[in-house]
Amino acid sequence: DVKVTQSSRYLVKRTGEKVFLECVQDMDHENMFWYRQDPGLGLRLIYFSYDVKMKEKGDIPEGYSVSREKKERFSLILESASTNQTSMYLCASSPGAGGYNEQFFGPGTRLTVL
Amino acid sequence: GNSVTQMEGPVTLSEEAFLTINCTYTATGYPSLFWYVQYPGEGLQLLLKATKADDKGSNKGFEATYRKETTSFHLEKGSVQVSDSAVYFCALSDEVGDYKLSFGAGTTVTVRA
Repeated sequence: DVKVTQSSRYLVKRTGEKVFLECVQDMDHENMFWYRQDPGLGLRLIYFSYDVKMKEKGDIPEGYSVSREKKERFSLILESASTNQTSMYLCASSPGAGGYNEQFFGPGTRLTVL
Repeated sequence: GNSVTQMEGPVTLSEEAFLTINCTYTATGYPSLFWYVQYPGEGLQLLLKATKADDKGSNKGFEATYRKETTSFHLEKGSVQVSDSAVYFCALSDEVGDYKLSFGAGTTVTVRA
């Protein structure tokens, strides 16, 4: 069964802390994505990666960075967390090239920055 | 650029009622269209998709038809159940070579027994 897992379901951090969100997929997918989900705004793409060590900025990359050292793992990093980064973060993966391919989502991490 | 507009929620229905969620899009190319569903406490999962004009996607009693002339992909279900309570997202992606999805804002649907 297809699976995308995220390291935490809930996370509480302080302003200025460095935060790591981890995502692992077991489907050998080439593409991986990080989104944030906010009420009334839907999902917004932060970063994505279509290969190991490759990364591309999405629509809202400011304040975030990513790392993809292995095909199955894609990490989202908040270098210095701020209260406006309180949100639900969703990781997804998809196979190969092409916009027709379904993205598979993890359960999400609800991050609160105090 | 690409964009997706969904009808605003929340939508509250009684069991066995008819559900329609409107979705219209703007795209530069020939997009594929998707409906994703998010049940409480879970991530998103694909509900249905259509990859070309006049295609109809269907799953779990839900249907949506890709209408190029009206740039729409409205979601419908003839008789909803309490278990259909969820947030529904319309999304599109460009033609081959573009990996990204553009999402609508989501529509929260609550079905009451």
